[in-house]
Amino acid sequence: GAGVSQSPSNKVTEKGKDVELRCDPISGHTALYWYRQSLGQGLEFLIYFQGNSAPDKSGLPSDRFSAERTGGSVSTLTIQRTQQEDSAVYLCASRTQGTDTQYFGPGTRLTVL
Amino acid sequence: KNQVEQSPQSLIILEGKNCTLQCNYTVSPFSNLRWYKQDTGRGPVSLTIMTFSENTKSNGRYTATLDADTKQSSLHITASQLSDSASYICVVSAWNNNDMRFGAGTRLTVKP
Repeated sequence: GAGVSQSPSNKVTEKGKDVELRCDPISGHTALYWYRQSLGQGLEFLIYFQGNSAPDKSGLPSDRFSAERTGGSVSTLTIQRTQQEDSAVYLCASRTQGTDTQYFGPGTRLTVL
Repeated sequence: KNQVEQSPQSLIILEGKNCTLQCNYTVSPFSNLRWYKQDTGRGPVSLTIMTFSENTKSNGRYTATLDADTKQSSLHITASQLSDSASYICVVSAWNNNDMRFGAGTRLTVKP
């Protein structure tokens, strides 16, 4: 069956521009996570959506970062006024209710010039 | 200081050999520990999940151990294959599954 998909796979942007990253979770998965993986670093939690509950935004590094999840399915991570330190791979994962295993997408590699 | 420390940072072994990767954590209260395999350019894939009461779990040639008293885990790979070349990430969750701490990973290279 289809896994978690993310788009675009690669994004190159100029400093100061806004970017939107998309995540399509596995159908029926109620939980959705965004992570950031910088070169040589571990995964960094950004935000978590669970059903209709208010999202856990505790990992967002600044107010330039925001995310939405429409209709309990697709999610968009938006980074405003991008900075070079935002360059990283942004990973999305989804999980079905009652289980612990998260299924990751392939990630979006963001490069800010 | 990262609450999950993995060692070694990188490892090179010959095909067919065994290896063991280490994960030490300070996350508390502990809920569960996962090992993920991440191929280059791909998202992580779950290998094992262990809760407080479990001290070993196998998935094919992968065997994870957990000592919740000493807060240590290991991932043992038996009879390594070229396809085992990847990063292996240890993830520890506190009581709330949202509160996950990721290790920086061990980069394993298996050579023929």
